[in-house]
Amino acid sequence: GAGVSQSPSNKVTEKGKDVELRCDPISGHTALYWYRQSLGQGLEFLIYFQGNSAPDKSGLPSDRFSAERTGGSVSTLTIQRTQQEDSAVYLCASSKDRDYGYTFGSGTRLTVV
Amino acid sequence: DAKTTQPTSMDCAEGRAANLPCNHSTISGNEYVYWYRQIHSQGPQYIIHGLKNNETNEMASLIITEDRKSSTLILPHATLRDTAVYYCIVRVAEGGKLIFGQGTELSVKP
Repeated sequence: GAGVSQSPSNKVTEKGKDVELRCDPISGHTALYWYRQSLGQGLEFLIYFQGNSAPDKSGLPSDRFSAERTGGSVSTLTIQRTQQEDSAVYLCASSKDRDYGYTFGSGTRLTVV
Repeated sequence: DAKTTQPTSMDCAEGRAANLPCNHSTISGNEYVYWYRQIHSQGPQYIIHGLKNNETNEMASLIITEDRKSSTLILPHATLRDTAVYYCIVRVAEGGKLIFGQGTELSVKP
């Protein structure tokens, strides 16, 4: 596609429920990144996929968070047993290779009530 | 990855050049300097990156000092739409995650 696509754009969920957030990177981009941004805060790195290498999961805040990337393309970020502090905008980015700039999607705004 | 230091905020008059400084005194020889910006309620946007030579593209110019300990992003003719948070980041050439700091909030005023 022309850009990084994320869905849904908005998600409201009840505390304790599981949510899945989807990211479709730009076709041919080998690297994919997930970040989150809480209201008024900076971007917090979550996880990074590069080709077939093992993902860099060093930013995942707890074991309730997981992500996978199937077939080197679409990625899903899963948050289990959501908490109110998980409320944030979750941003996905992809890049052509390691040395290129990222293209970000518009994000998924998650609200846990 | 090396740490960067940027002013918290800056103002610029519309039509004038906006010069955004960044200090990265601990940068290593294999680390690139990247600049991104984030306009309110949007995802960050890549602007430019460089290693040691000055770089220019359709959006901006990047001036890196000879010792590479600091750099300046130049928006030659700032418009109101350039109002955003600008992030300066250093990252090794081998890639990996970009770590965003707090950035500089640039306000372009009429």
